Amino acid sequence: QQQVKQSPQSLIVQKGGISIINCAYENTAFDYFPWYQQFPGKGPALLIAIRPDVSEKKEGRFTISFNKSAKQFSLHIMDSQPGDSATYFCAASMRETSGSRLTFGEGTQLTVNP
Amino acid sequence: NAGVTQTPKFRILKIGQSMTLQCAQDMNHNYMYWYRQDPGMGLKLIYYSVGAGITDKGEVPNGYNVSRSTTEDFPLRLELAAPSQTSVYFCASSYSPGGTQFFGPGTRLTVL
Repeated sequence: QQQVKQSPQSLIVQKGGISIINCAYENTAFDYFPWYQQFPGKGPALLIAIRPDVSEKKEGRFTISFNKSAKQFSLHIMDSQPGDSATYFCAASMRETSGSRLTFGEGTQLTVNP
Repeated sequence: NAGVTQTPKFRILKIGQSMTLQCAQDMNHNYMYWYRQDPGMGLKLIYYSVGAGITDKGEVPNGYNVSRSTTEDFPLRLELAAPSQTSVYFCASSYSPGGTQFFGPGTRLTVL
C-alpha cells in the first residue's frame, strides 16, 4: 500500500482561528481523498471528500484544497470551534479499483481553545 | 438501519485467554475491515475481506484470525491474548474497494 503522510501530528488553535492540516500522497492513480473526524471514544466518521477533478470542495466551515501536481491536499477549518476538537485523518484510494482500499494518514489531534 | 455494530464495547482479558470480537453491518457491503488504534496513534489494518468466504491480511495480522461466512458478519478472533494486544479495535465496511468506509463504535480491549 502506498503511504499517505499527514502533518502536523497535533495542532492547537484559538476559537475563531483557522485550522490547517496537510497530507501528501505518492500514488498518482489515487482518485478519492476523504477526511475523517474522530471524537474521543467514537469511531472515525466521514467529514468531507474530494475527487481529483476539482481543486477545492467546501462544506460549511470545512474546505478541502487539492493540488494534483504537488500530490498534496489539505483540510481547512474556518472559524474553528471547541466542538471541532477531535482527531482528523486524511486518506486516499483508487475508489473503484479491485484490490484497492483506503490508505490512512497517521492522524492530527486538533484542540480548539475557548 | 444500524450501520456497523460491534460487541462488546469493553473487555478485560487475562494473558493467554482467547476471545472473539463481533462485527456486523446491515448495509449489504461486500468489503469489511478490522483496525486497531493505539493511544495517540493512527489506524493499523489487521485483516480485511472483499466478500463472504474471502479474507486477507493487513499490516498487523499476527495474533489474530478472522472468518467471513456471511456478508453481514466479520468476527475477529484473538488467540492467546498478550498485553501488546491492548488497544481499541474498530470494524468498518465499504460498498466499493476504495470507497468510503463506515466505522463501528469500537471495542476497548485491555489484556492484563
